[in-house]
Amino acid sequence: DSGVTQTPKHLITATGQRVTLRCSPRSGDLSVYWYQQSLDQGLQFLIQYYNGEERAKGNILERFSAQQFPDLHSELNLSSLELGDSALYFCASSGNSRTGRTTQYFGPGTRLLVL
Amino acid sequence: AQTVTQSQPEMSVQEAETVTLSCTYDTSESDYYLFWYKQPPSRQMILVIRQEAYKQQNATENRFSVNFQKAAKSFSLKISDSQLGDAAMYFCAYRRGKNEKLTFGTGTRLTIIP
Repeated sequence: DSGVTQTPKHLITATGQRVTLRCSPRSGDLSVYWYQQSLDQGLQFLIQYYNGEERAKGNILERFSAQQFPDLHSELNLSSLELGDSALYFCASSGNSRTGRTTQYFGPGTRLLVL
Repeated sequence: AQTVTQSQPEMSVQEAETVTLSCTYDTSESDYYLFWYKQPPSRQMILVIRQEAYKQQNATENRFSVNFQKAAKSFSLKISDSQLGDAAMYFCAYRRGKNEKLTFGTGTRLTIIP
């Protein structure tokens, strides 16, 4: 158990819809990262938050947005969903405020299927 | 931009034997971090081993060890005494700074033959 939790585990929705993926980081971790794993694109970095502020952006579509809340949990919002958005979405956390640990540990992922 | 290349899409090894997975990377940085992550059929991403570029000594974690060749920009993973539970996709990853994103290779699928 990595200590990173993600909900829901599975999500099935239709094209054009909007979904929200949730991530709770390991206790004490300030950074949250979102990654997308799809068959054709592999594992790609989407966005990073650090202590509530956006820190870095990767290949994140304009239809996607994220935020990190004061309790450090993060949400990834995906809107106007397309078939190609079907993927496994991972959250990872690091940047521990107590230990200084910087290794990223991953949550179990949310499997999104857009029909 | 940093890139990570895993040139072996698939590998197989007999149980109890040793196997080496290859990874090369491209960077202009002198200080960085390298990782191997394992993704079993459950799809969970599990950290196997990490290496700091400033450390010359190769990292070791039980049956897992790396051969880090900084000048050649090579970072291979050796699995000794392979076990059935080692069957998984293995991803090599690069990280530039302490709290920065991971850049992944395309992965190597490892099959363990009983």
